[in-house]
Amino acid sequence: AQTVTQSQPEMSVQEAETVTLSCTYDTSESDYYLFWYKQPPSRQMILVIRQEAYKQQNATENRFSVNFQKAAKSFSLKISDSQLGDAAMYFCAYRSYDQGAQKLVFGQGTRLTINP
Amino acid sequence: DAGVTQSPTHLIKTRGQQVTLRCSPKSGHDTVSWYQQALGQGPQFIFQYYEEEERQRGNFPDRFSGHQFPNYSSELNVNALLLGDSALYLCASSLARERGNQPQHFGDGTRLSIL
Repeated sequence: AQTVTQSQPEMSVQEAETVTLSCTYDTSESDYYLFWYKQPPSRQMILVIRQEAYKQQNATENRFSVNFQKAAKSFSLKISDSQLGDAAMYFCAYRSYDQGAQKLVFGQGTRLTINP
Repeated sequence: DAGVTQSPTHLIKTRGQQVTLRCSPKSGHDTVSWYQQALGQGPQFIFQYYEEEERQRGNFPDRFSGHQFPNYSSELNVNALLLGDSALYLCASSLARERGNQPQHFGDGTRLSIL
């Protein structure tokens, strides 16, 4: 079974600075998908960024980018120019490549605080 | 374009009771997944419904059951409620034929409190 581990329960950063959230996972599969979701106090899970394991190029979405190290099974999220609206719980998630297996396996989450 | 909607928003029950939570998927989606998120934890997969059948199930007891209707909406039923069932229950929808990297869309959840 796949597992996802986020070793940083809480992180804080000054507004406008850069922060990196860590995620490691364990799987025996060679193809899979990885996601970072953001959950603000409103509770809704919002997709931040996604990565296909067969792509070597790291995904980027505006101020958000990932460092995907497949051999190390590491998938960290970098937030540049942090904004107050980035404050939330961040969850790393794994999804099997099997088209019929759409379930997400989540990590425990990292609470990100932005200091003004 | 309506997103995923869940009802009710909050619910308070007592031990031993039964509860039904409801979810309407995003317009155009045909697959519904349910997750349980305990306080301070990541969501845990309960089960997934597609074509009105349970397609995948996580490590949850038979007290947790579900249903999907012809219009793709879904219900989550929990019997014989325990204190440990207190959690945020999230519904997510997707389209079965989409490529796997397409994200599931989540609702705002139902906060269930057991007294």
